[in-house]
Amino acid sequence: GAGVSQSPRYKVAKRGQDVALRCDPISGHVSLFWYQQALGQGPEFLTYFQNEAQLDKSGLPSDRFFAERPEGSVSTLKIQRTQQEDSAVYLCASSLARVLSYNEQFFGPGTRLTVL
Amino acid sequence: QQQVKQSPQSLIVQKGGISIINCAYENTAFDYFPWYQQFPGKGPALLIAIRPDVSEKKEGRFTISFNKSAKQFSLHIMDSQPGDSATYFCAASKNRETSGSRLTFGEGTQLTVNP
Repeated sequence: GAGVSQSPRYKVAKRGQDVALRCDPISGHVSLFWYQQALGQGPEFLTYFQNEAQLDKSGLPSDRFFAERPEGSVSTLKIQRTQQEDSAVYLCASSLARVLSYNEQFFGPGTRLTVL
Repeated sequence: QQQVKQSPQSLIVQKGGISIINCAYENTAFDYFPWYQQFPGKGPALLIAIRPDVSEKKEGRFTISFNKSAKQFSLHIMDSQPGDSATYFCAASKNRETSGSRLTFGEGTQLTVNP
């Protein structure tokens, strides 16, 4: 496909379970971002990759959150020991951008995580 | 810390009317200001964006007005249509080598255009 894809689209987890969310960016896009969007709120930055390098993880809310992009394409956001406050839509975005440029960020449809 | 504040939270406009959404930012290092449109169940999509070296940018029915001294910018949707009904987010970013152009979003405005 031509756009950013994410899977699963919906995930229900019991509190304490680990979850893994996948993002397939647009082919050739160097930059990849993860955002968290709580219900009725704007997306909030979690972490940023340039190719396989995680250059900024300052937005990750706790050490239970971990992201990787080992080959510079697909990325996985992992949440360990999920808590109810982790319930949100997790958005992935990719762009052609290298540093010092403003290429558009293309967003995927998101994964809606519900922690019971 | 809420670095980008957006208002109103919700807006109802009649078909053909003008929709106006306002944002204010705090960080003077921001140098790129996009607006995103989001439909239910979809990710945000870029609508229009502006750099602070211009005061206005127009694309079709959508116009951004930018006031650098007041640290405010707004989105105007002319001839609003029912298909424009969606949630709109303003955002801001600054180029930093370690963070690309990460976006800081406003809280969102739910726009409803009545037929």
